[in-house]
Amino acid sequence: GESVGLHLPTLSVQEGDNSIINCAYSNSASDYFIWYKQESGKGPQFIIDIRSNMDKRQGQRVTVLLNKTVKHLSLQIAATQPGDSAVYFCAENQAGTALIFGKGTTLSVSS
Amino acid sequence: KAGVTQTPRYLIKTRGQQVTLSCSPISGHRSVSWYQQTPGQGLQFLFEYFSETQRNKGNFPGRFSGRQFSNSRSEMNVSTLELGDSALYLCASSLEVMRTEAFFGQGTRLTVV
Repeated sequence: GESVGLHLPTLSVQEGDNSIINCAYSNSASDYFIWYKQESGKGPQFIIDIRSNMDKRQGQRVTVLLNKTVKHLSLQIAATQPGDSAVYFCAENQAGTALIFGKGTTLSVSS
Repeated sequence: KAGVTQTPRYLIKTRGQQVTLSCSPISGHRSVSWYQQTPGQGLQFLFEYFSETQRNKGNFPGRFSGRQFSNSRSEMNVSTLELGDSALYLCASSLEVMRTEAFFGQGTRLTVV
């Protein structure tokens, strides 16, 4: 079936570097794509979303890029901090249906 | 304002038993969704309730059921527990049906022995 997946299960960066977390999706009918952050012992936390008619959206220190041609989604975190260490999930949503999550990328930030 | 509250935080049950988990959404949120999280399968959608009606359902057996009350609080029930039901069960609330900005609780860690 169609699903959302991530390219790499783990990513290690140095504090201050920029991080890029990638995700591939397969459902071209999805309306929204979302990034969630899950810290140990907590539930996922919404970071940012992007509609399918956009290709870029910026938040505080984060940017999401959507490339519908190759069905690729990425999350860029600027000046990565130790507090950014967590598991990051991409998810897709088609109007009126459930969020479908990818399996997650564990980001480790070393100082 | 208070976030999504799930109770209990931890549960240990024996195979064959049943369990009920509770979720209180953020005040004013009418949609509650449930997810199962395991290391192997990741986050998988169970079902969503809105205004006491099930709106969406994931691909789980009938042993998994839920309901929503008039105050938007929701419960999910798993009957005839199996070892594979051991997981973190997460509840998410949002203002309306399946909005992207869903707020998750800390989850209930269920261990089936």
